[in-house]
Amino acid sequence: DGGITQSPKYLFRKEGQNVTLSCEQNLNHDAMYWYRQDPGQGLRLIYYSQIVNDFQKGDIAEGYSVSREKKESFPLTVTSAQKNPTAFYLCASSMGRGGQPQHFGDGTRLSIL
Amino acid sequence: GENVGLHLPTLSVQEGDNSIINCAYSNSASDYFIWYKQESGKGPQFIIDIRSNMDKRQGQRVTVLLNKTVKHLSLQIAATQPGDSAVYFCAEDVTGTASKLTFGTGTRLQVTL
Repeated sequence: DGGITQSPKYLFRKEGQNVTLSCEQNLNHDAMYWYRQDPGQGLRLIYYSQIVNDFQKGDIAEGYSVSREKKESFPLTVTSAQKNPTAFYLCASSMGRGGQPQHFGDGTRLSIL
Repeated sequence: GENVGLHLPTLSVQEGDNSIINCAYSNSASDYFIWYKQESGKGPQFIIDIRSNMDKRQGQRVTVLLNKTVKHLSLQIAATQPGDSAVYFCAEDVTGTASKLTFGTGTRLQVTL
C-alpha cells in the first residue's frame, strides 16, 4: 500500500559524526519535506523540495543537508555542525499544488551517545 | 508520549462527549488550514482541511470551523472515543498548496472513560 517510509526508527549519533536519515515515498508526490519536532514545540521545517534536483532551506536548515536525486527519495543528513541534534525527525510529502495536504511518515528518533 | 510536547495544553473529555480544540493562527494571509492528529511515537495523521473561502467543513465525526475575522480555527469531534486520545495540531499555509506549513504547538486530548 502507498505511503511514506522512514528508517531507521531509532538512531544514535556519536560526537562529530554525520548520520543520514532515510525517507522514501511511493505516493508519486512531487514535494517532500523534513521537519524537526522537540517536546513542547510544533513541527519546524528543515528543508523542502518541490521537484527532483531542487530543494530549499526551511526555517532551521543550519547543520543539516539534503539531496533529491530521485522523486521517491529525500534523505536528510544531520552533520556534526548540528550541535543539538536530539529530536524526532519527520518526513512528509504532498502533491505540492491544489491544496492537497502533506502526509507524514512515522519518524526517526535521533539521540546522542 | 516522548515525541510530542510534555507540557502541552490538555483537554480532558469524557467518552461520548463532544470535544472542541481551538487554534489561533498568526497570518491573516493564510488561505489553507489543516488539522493533524499525532499519536505517541507516530507521525501526524491528516484529519481535515479547509480553505479560506469556507467557514465550515464537515468530515466523519469531525467539523472544522474557521473565523477569519479573529484568526481562529477550531476542530470539533463528536462522540469522542478513547481512540481519539492524541495530540492535535493545526497548520496554516499562505501559499494555498500546503508547500509551506506553519504548525501550532498542539493540544493534548485525553479521553476519560
